[in-house]
Amino acid sequence: TQLLEQSPQFLSIQEGENLTVYCNSSSVFSSLQWYRQEPGEGPVLLVTVVTGGEVKKLKRLTFQFGDARKDSSLHITAAQPGDTGLYLCAGETGSNYKLTFGKGTLLTVNP
Amino acid sequence: EAEVAQSPRYKITEKSQAVAFWCDPISGHATLYWYRQILGQGPELLVQFQDESVVDDSQLPKDRFSAERLKGVDSTLKIQPAELGDSAMYLCASSYRTGLYEQYFGPGTRLTVT
Repeated sequence: TQLLEQSPQFLSIQEGENLTVYCNSSSVFSSLQWYRQEPGEGPVLLVTVVTGGEVKKLKRLTFQFGDARKDSSLHITAAQPGDTGLYLCAGETGSNYKLTFGKGTLLTVNP
Repeated sequence: EAEVAQSPRYKITEKSQAVAFWCDPISGHATLYWYRQILGQGPELLVQFQDESVVDDSQLPKDRFSAERLKGVDSTLKIQPAELGDSAMYLCASSYRTGLYEQYFGPGTRLTVT
């Protein structure tokens, strides 16, 4: 069974602060995806990283895929209350492109 | 903008009863997924369809869960009999094809078994 460990599990910060959340595994993934989920809704895809060492930026969010394609990080600069939500990473493997999700990091950004 | 539709949004049922969830994927999407998300966990894939065929149901508890997508469009997930441990959010997602295509998730059905 491939496991994705996310840390921290909970994070509460003030508006304007920076933060980094991590997604680690002992398994190699073909690609890794980051999602954001709001209460009572389904996850929404933020980014897909495919190449080891790849860095992608989405406005104030920076995503990095580890060189060995086993880990990833999400960095948010100058967090805003609208960034509040559950951030999930998911690794993709196999011929059916099956996604294995981590447990998520619940981020709260206080005004 | 096209969305994945799910119903009902909330369902409360007593243990040992039968319950069914419905999903209508985005038009033209060949691949449909059912996930279960227990509170405090990430989604776990239960079953994946390519058109009307099951391509992965390795995590589906087949003694009580069943899923079908008869015409390769909408899908139904059934639990019979429901158990207390089945309380969770049931998410449906669809993608254009199986592959590195974005999965679009519906709003989910929140099931509470009492």
